[in-house]
Amino acid sequence: DAGVIQSPRHEVTEMGQEVTLRCKPISGHNSLFWYRQTMMRGLELLIYFNNNVPIDDSGMPEDRFSAKMPNASFSTLKIQPSEPRDSAVYFCASSLADAPESSYEQYFGPGTRLTVT
Amino acid sequence: GQNIDQPTEMTATEGAIVQINCTYQTSGFNGLFWYQQHAGEAPTFLSYNVLDGLEEKGRFSSFLSRSKGYSYLLLKELQMKDSASYLCAVRDSNYQLIWGAGTKLIIKP
Repeated sequence: DAGVIQSPRHEVTEMGQEVTLRCKPISGHNSLFWYRQTMMRGLELLIYFNNNVPIDDSGMPEDRFSAKMPNASFSTLKIQPSEPRDSAVYFCASSLADAPESSYEQYFGPGTRLTVT
Repeated sequence: GQNIDQPTEMTATEGAIVQINCTYQTSGFNGLFWYQQHAGEAPTFLSYNVLDGLEEKGRFSSFLSRSKGYSYLLLKELQMKDSASYLCAVRDSNYQLIWGAGTKLIIKP
């Protein structure tokens, strides 16, 4: 199993540019999560999808952030325009939520380290 | 509000035992997770508790007391590779994971 795949692994861009992060969840998983991690704020949930439908996007910082999941095997997180304070590691995670009582632990991708100058 | 508290940093000696505590206040409870995260890497799942008591998995054990809003992760026979951050996360009534800030564990020879 390839695990959760994210691309790019590193992204350096200038303030004002559009940034698109990509994620391929584990095949068969029906929930997908986008997180942001910084030293100051720790791990923050931005948005999560269940069966390709966005369920909770209350963690999305502002309108500059948007996420899509057009099918079960692909999701994107877009930042437009990017700002230096967006610099962080962005993780995608997936899980199999087959029943509420199951553990359905989340499997994390390797992350995208974003630097906005 | 929802809150999860863990110590920021702990230091232990190779071969010893260390206990990392986690206390939580959340709107509802549907399970508690422990994840390990090595520097520069992604978090990886360690354990899950939904009922009170101790869950043992090799050198790692996790304990839960729902009435006290308390959990701990116990690491035995510490190895240098156990140096990492350990994240406590609670699933609330909406099945959302609330994450702690993590405990950085430093292992010394």
